Amino acid sequence: DTGVSQNPRHKITKRGQNVTFRCDPISEHNRLYWYRQTLGQGPEFLTYFQNEAQLEKSRLLSDRFSAERPKGSFSTLEIQRTEQGDSAMYLCASSPPTGGIQYFGAGTRLSVL
Amino acid sequence: RKEVEQDPGPFNVPEGATVAFNCTYSNSASQSFFWYRQDCRKEPKLLMSVYSSGNEDGRFTAQLNRASQYISLLIRDSKLSDSATYLCVVNPKGASGTYKYIFGTGTRLKVLA
Repeated sequence: DTGVSQNPRHKITKRGQNVTFRCDPISEHNRLYWYRQTLGQGPEFLTYFQNEAQLEKSRLLSDRFSAERPKGSFSTLEIQRTEQGDSAMYLCASSPPTGGIQYFGAGTRLSVL
Repeated sequence: RKEVEQDPGPFNVPEGATVAFNCTYSNSASQSFFWYRQDCRKEPKLLMSVYSSGNEDGRFTAQLNRASQYISLLIRDSKLSDSATYLCVVNPKGASGTYKYIFGTGTRLKVLA
């Protein structure tokens, strides 16, 4: 399967714990995006990487959130000291160097108890 | 005012019906437009791009009106399998070259037998 891959698919954690999600984009795509989606809403942009450079971060991305893409391939999104309000689907997408259409992974569903 | 606005529905229509969804956007500098389909608890998948000249793909027709900042999707001869949430997506090019997506809340469609 050459699509966008996200792991884990589901994560249940207790409030205050740290969690990390991984995204492997389509191999020839240098652009990578993270979005968050809550029930009944469309996905909301969190951050964008072009190769290894993080070029944009949303105001939604508080200090507890950090994302990396160290070698310009896979990316990780870490949430420190999770809160119940962090419960959501975290979606990763990638697109080719020309921009254009984004292809989404199946997402990581986070539940904070 | 939200950047992208959609009627959340739900739209309940009988099989074979024609149904239309509308979407308005606020950023006149937006460059690309899409409709994505999202099934329950799944990732968004591209349905079609939207062009100023209008475009058609089988039973689906999309239109863009830049002057009114308005996008539409028409589904003819609805099938049970068309039941899903339809996400309107606007793709403004940011100062950093970001091609982030701005999503509407989505319009839920249920096609009834």
